Amino acid sequence: AAGVIQSPRHLIKEKRETATLKCYPIPRHDTVYWYQQGPGQDPQFLISFYEKMQSDKGSIPDRFSAQQFSDYHSELNMSSLELGDSALYFCASSPRLHARPYFGPGTRLTVT
Amino acid sequence: AQKVTQAQTEISVVEKEDVTLDCVYETRDTTYYLFWYKQPPSGELVFLIRRNSFDEQNEISGRYSWNFQKSTSSFNFTITASQVVDSAVYFCALGITQGGSEKLVFGKGMKLTVNP
Repeated sequence: AAGVIQSPRHLIKEKRETATLKCYPIPRHDTVYWYQQGPGQDPQFLISFYEKMQSDKGSIPDRFSAQQFSDYHSELNMSSLELGDSALYFCASSPRLHARPYFGPGTRLTVT
Repeated sequence: AQKVTQAQTEISVVEKEDVTLDCVYETRDTTYYLFWYKQPPSGELVFLIRRNSFDEQNEISGRYSWNFQKSTSSFNFTITASQVVDSAVYFCALGITQGGSEKLVFGKGMKLTVNP
């Protein structure tokens, strides 16, 4: 069965640089979520999209922005990177309201 | 406020021991979902179970079992006859429906080490 695809899987950036993480949901899934998991921490909800519109927002820094495109893939853009942005970023998708989210493998971002 | 508490941060057991991971949640919503995820050292989040707030039946899947008690707001997870491959961080999470999505609030996680 198809799974959520995240790219890249690993990314190394320097402070103040920009990073773009991509998420390709499972086919026919219209909802996408982004979570950030710092080292030794639990995943924290960042933002979600339903039918290409932002549906909910968590503790997402203003330096981050995200969108969902017409083909339902989503991108998380992160600017002016800081050391504290080093984390595992998960994307998840779900097929409808009240359906469980399916998590991707994550993108490990390291900021040096 | 929505909150998940996993009081145990780390447990170490010897193979074949049974181990129970505690999870207590807080929410004012009447409809919600409870989850358990396993995160091995490789980092991915492995889905184990999703239970809605109206279904208090306990569930068993192989060596895994879950006990959901609304009266105590708990959703505990038991691994029977633990194995080394069970070593991982386990997260309990609360699913909250808002708008068109269901975001998850995770507990802090519990690191389980199963020694041979």
